[in-house]
Amino acid sequence: DTAVSQTPKYLVTQMGNDKSIKCEQNLGHDTMYWYKQDSKKFLKIMFSYNNKELIINETVPNRFSPKSPDKAHLNLHINSLELGDSAVYFCASSPLWGQGANHEQYFGPGTRLTVT
Amino acid sequence: QQQVKQSPQSLIVQKGGISIINCAYENTAFDYFPWYQQFPGKGPALLIAIRPDVSEKKEGRFTISFNKSAKQFSLHIMDSQPGDSATYFCAASEGSSNTGKLIFGQGTTLQVKP
Repeated sequence: DTAVSQTPKYLVTQMGNDKSIKCEQNLGHDTMYWYKQDSKKFLKIMFSYNNKELIINETVPNRFSPKSPDKAHLNLHINSLELGDSAVYFCASSPLWGQGANHEQYFGPGTRLTVT
Repeated sequence: QQQVKQSPQSLIVQKGGISIINCAYENTAFDYFPWYQQFPGKGPALLIAIRPDVSEKKEGRFTISFNKSAKQFSLHIMDSQPGDSATYFCAASEGSSNTGKLIFGQGTTLQVKP
């Protein structure tokens, strides 16, 4: 069984469109993350949720909005897509949260977003 | 501001050789230092991690060396194999922040030649 899954794997869309990427984890983890990997492979955190509560909100355009319907799911909605949004987006999850937590993060397979 | 600096950007090693990737950090509050391995088209996968209370951690052919005073840590891959060809990322996080936020290095593309 896939531990952290994302859909879709590939997403090609035009500028100005709105799109969503879905993420699900079946590991029973408390915390989920969204990362962006640019064309130079640099990984940068965007958001994090712990049990449906937003705990990390990096400097990301407000066109990006995460939504967590339950602790096993964290979706990413992007409005008014721009060329610069083209990247690979990774979802990740982590088993514990809090002081002394194990910060091991398990990544999904990624969603390659191409904006034309 | 790049808080974790990784080098080299790319590395070519012969099969059986030792691959060494270095990272330096700035924030002395960092207390968790993982290494991730990423194959093309896949997500990063945790390889090995260390906390600053030890200077070295070994798992199979992979070893992390940690120098707290120099604020540096490195990954050594012994007996490198073609299957080790991948991109490697070091990272760091601050446990007291309670967020698990990982700051990644820029990545090193490793090619192991047969």
